[in-house]
Amino acid sequence: AQSVSQHNHHVILSEAASLELGCNYSYGGTVNLFWYVQYPGQHLQLLLKYFSGDPLVKGIKGFEAEFIKSKFSFNLRKPSVQWSDTAEYFCAVNNWAGNTPLVFGKGTRLSVIA
Amino acid sequence: GAVVSQHPSRVICKSGTSVKIECRSLDFQATTMFWYRQFPKQSLMLMATSNEGSKATYEQGVEKDKFLINHASLTLSTLTVTSAHPEDSSFYICSARPSGYNQPQHFGDGTRLSIL
Repeated sequence: AQSVSQHNHHVILSEAASLELGCNYSYGGTVNLFWYVQYPGQHLQLLLKYFSGDPLVKGIKGFEAEFIKSKFSFNLRKPSVQWSDTAEYFCAVNNWAGNTPLVFGKGTRLSVIA
Repeated sequence: GAVVSQHPSRVICKSGTSVKIECRSLDFQATTMFWYRQFPKQSLMLMATSNEGSKATYEQGVEKDKFLINHASLTLSTLTVTSAHPEDSSFYICSARPSGYNQPQHFGDGTRLSIL
């Protein structure tokens, strides 16, 4: 069965600090990987996704993630966070064909302070 | 972009009531829809996968008779919480995936269900 671990429950950063959120997955086969963001009071939005090819994936709002197959990791990064990045971030995985439901990590709450 | 509409956004009702939640894909057809449940400060837990025109597939531990799912068309799935009790209070989120290979899931705004 697939599972996703997000190591950081709550991260607090000052504006302009760099961000890295950890995500590790467990699955025996080839996977698709996703990062979703949930701003307060809003629905989940797709930040970026990895299906194949270049393991460094760039998403919206300056976010990127790197797939490291040997480490089963897909960490999310942003060089300089803004107050508006305050949100809950979820890592998710499904199978390579994309025909299984997304399995989510527990989420990481990011609080950016001025 | 792909929009998923979920209604209602909030429901407060008495114990024993049945509650229906609707999930619509507004600008795409979704052969598959998913229902998740999210507890405070926890992840989204998949409850069931709904395929248009067939019976839903429930995850282990989810009561089929308690959580009735109907996916009657390519744009509409409903979740009915039957005879709801306080322990059913939660945040329910639907998701829809467009037809085709490797399509991402799109999410509704969620429904906050509170059973008194």
